[in-house]
Amino acid sequence: QVQLVQSGDEVKEPGASVKVSCKASGYTFASYGISWVRQAPGQGLEWMGWISPYIGNTKYAQKFQGRVAMTTDTSTTTAYMELKSLRSDDTAVYYCARDHTGWVVPTGFDYWGQGTLVTASS
Amino acid sequence: DIQMTQSPSSLSASVGDRVTITCRASQGISHYLTWYQQKPGKVPKLLIYAASTLQSGVPSRFSGSGSGTDFTLTISSLQPDDVATYYCQHYDSAPLTFGGGTTVEIK
Repeated sequence: QVQLVQSGDEVKEPGASVKVSCKASGYTFASYGISWVRQAPGQGLEWMGWISPYIGNTKYAQKFQGRVAMTTDTSTTTAYMELKSLRSDDTAVYYCARDHTGWVVPTGFDYWGQGTLVTASS
Repeated sequence: DIQMTQSPSSLSASVGDRVTITCRASQGISHYLTWYQQKPGKVPKLLIYAASTLQSGVPSRFSGSGSGTDFTLTISSLQPDDVATYYCQHYDSAPLTFGGGTTVEIK
């Protein structure tokens, strides 16, 4: 069965960086894109960006350009999202999510990781 | 960026009621729209993609319609298990954006 298992919760000081991992299993990793979506406490969903493990292509929301980096390691079927220069308003649950159609462009998401709470606080 | 506006932001209905949630895009997105259900403390779940295609395993009381800029999610007979927040999301082009969510409660 398809599973996305994320790394554990993190507490970081403002200005630091965080790197969240998303280990995929149960499907051909390169065949589906991975997006990262975050949700601040009590708030809605926010798309951060997408990566195609097949070709390594990325698309980032303008809001995060220059601060976020999404990568994949096909040998370990793991996706990573690194967010730099953390601010208090980056406190949120971060989800990885698999595209339901494939690897060409970001679409909708049929499988989600369990979420990683990142707290940016001094 | 394409803005997605959902209405209402919350609603309360009785078990068995027909419930309709609307989602409007700030520009035409063809049929590139998904709907998700998120129960409190849980991960979002894909309900509908391509505006009207039911994801495998989703109860048939859920349906979606629309194209262009106006879309609807309908629950034909509201059940207690449907208490959740519902989000629309477009995938016409990056950046993908979500609606603000509609919280559904039982009256």
